[in-house]
Amino acid sequence: GEDVEQSLFLSVREGDSSVINCTYTDSSSTYLYWYKQEPGAGLQLLTYIFSNMDMKQDQRLTVLLNKKDKHLSLRIADTQTGDSAIYFCAEITESARQLTFGSGTQLTVLP
Amino acid sequence: DAGVTQSPTHLIKTRGQQVTLRCSPKSGHDTVSWYQQALGQGPQFIFQYYEEEERQRGNFPDRFSGHQFPNYSSELNVNALLLGDSALYLCASSPPRNTEAFFGQGTRLTVV
Repeated sequence: GEDVEQSLFLSVREGDSSVINCTYTDSSSTYLYWYKQEPGAGLQLLTYIFSNMDMKQDQRLTVLLNKKDKHLSLRIADTQTGDSAIYFCAEITESARQLTFGSGTQLTVLP
Repeated sequence: DAGVTQSPTHLIKTRGQQVTLRCSPKSGHDTVSWYQQALGQGPQFIFQYYEEEERQRGNFPDRFSGHQFPNYSSELNVNALLLGDSALYLCASSPPRNTEAFFGQGTRLTVV
C-alpha cells in the first residue's frame, strides 16, 4: 500500500539551510510534491519533481530524489522566519489520481 | 485569477445534521478533488470529480457525497454528521491532463 513518512519537527537558525526529508513506499510514484501550510491556511504548492528526475532547483528550493531508496528531500537555502510552517510531502501514482500525503514536518526558524 | 475559492471558511454544525461545502476551481481547471485534514495530520483524499462524475474515491463512507457542475465548481455533502467529522476540508483543482493540484484555503468544520 501507499505510505509517506516524514519527521515531525525541525528547527533551524535564520540564514541557515533547512533540509526536510520524506520517504515513500510506492515504487510506481510518478510525481512527488512539496506543499507548505501556514497556520489556519490551505496548502501552497511549492515545487514538484517527476520520478525520472533526481534533482530540481527553483530559487531557494532544491528537491533531491533518490528513487532507489524512495527518499525525497527539500532543501531551503537561507531560511527566513517567513519559512516557518508545516511542510508536506505528497506522491501521486500512475494508477491513482489522488495525492497521498505525509503527516507533515513543522519547521521552526529561530532568530 | 482568484485561485481556488471555498465557502464558507468556518462552520459549526450539530451532530446528526447535514452540511454542504462549496468550491470554485482556478480558471481553466476541470478537475476538483476534496480532502479532509484532521488536526495534526496530513490531508486524506475523499474523492475526485471530472466531467461532472466521481472519478475516484478514497476510503470514506457513503455519508460523504459530492457533485460537480458544468462550470466545474463542486460541492461536498456530508450527512448524519459525527463528532469525528470535525476537520479542515480542502478542495484542490487541477488543469486538464496535469497532476498539479492547487488548494483552496479550506473550510473549518466543527461538529458539536
